[in-house]
Amino acid sequence: AQSVTQLDSQVPVFEEAPVELRCNYSSSVSVYLFWYVQYPNQGLQLLLKYLSGSTLVKGINGFEAEFNKSQTSFHLRKPSVHISDTAEYFCAVSEGGVGFQKLVFGTGTRLLVSP
Amino acid sequence: GAVVSQHPSWVICKSGTSVKIECRSLDFQATTMFWYRQFPKQSLMLMATSNEGSKATYEQGVEKDKFLINHASLTLSTLTVTSAHPEDSSFYICSARDLAGGRRNEQYFGPGTRLTVT
Repeated sequence: AQSVTQLDSQVPVFEEAPVELRCNYSSSVSVYLFWYVQYPNQGLQLLLKYLSGSTLVKGINGFEAEFNKSQTSFHLRKPSVHISDTAEYFCAVSEGGVGFQKLVFGTGTRLLVSP
Repeated sequence: GAVVSQHPSWVICKSGTSVKIECRSLDFQATTMFWYRQFPKQSLMLMATSNEGSKATYEQGVEKDKFLINHASLTLSTLTVTSAHPEDSSFYICSARDLAGGRRNEQYFGPGTRLTVT
């Protein structure tokens, strides 16, 4: 079974500063990895995903993430954040391969961007 | 494309009544839909996997008689919270899996339904 750990429950940062949100996973098989963003009282929006191929994945809103198999990590980064990036960010994993497996979510990281 | 809607977006009901939440895939077909529950400031917990034309698969600890799921068509799944109690108050989110080849491994999430039981 897969599991996801997001060690940082909250990350405060100033506007225009870089940010990294950490995500580590555990799995005995190949995985697919996802980052979602959730704004207050809304559903989840996919930021980016890693299925295969290049380990550096670029997503929407200027975010990117790098899959590191040896460190079982999939950290999310943005070089310069905006106030509007304030939201909850969830890392998720599913089992890779043929067919579709359910998503397992981390506990989330709240990104707080201040002026 | 790949839009999922939920109705209602919020509902308040009295304890002991039942509430139905609809999840629709608007521009694609979804043989599989998922229902999640999210408590305040917590992550999403998968409640059940809804399969069109067959019984839903519930996660361990989720009461299937309390949370009735029906997936009658390729674009609609419903979650009925029966005999609701205040502890059922939560944010319920559905997602749908697109059948299209290029998007098979993605789930598209609805905007959520906030249920408050008084």
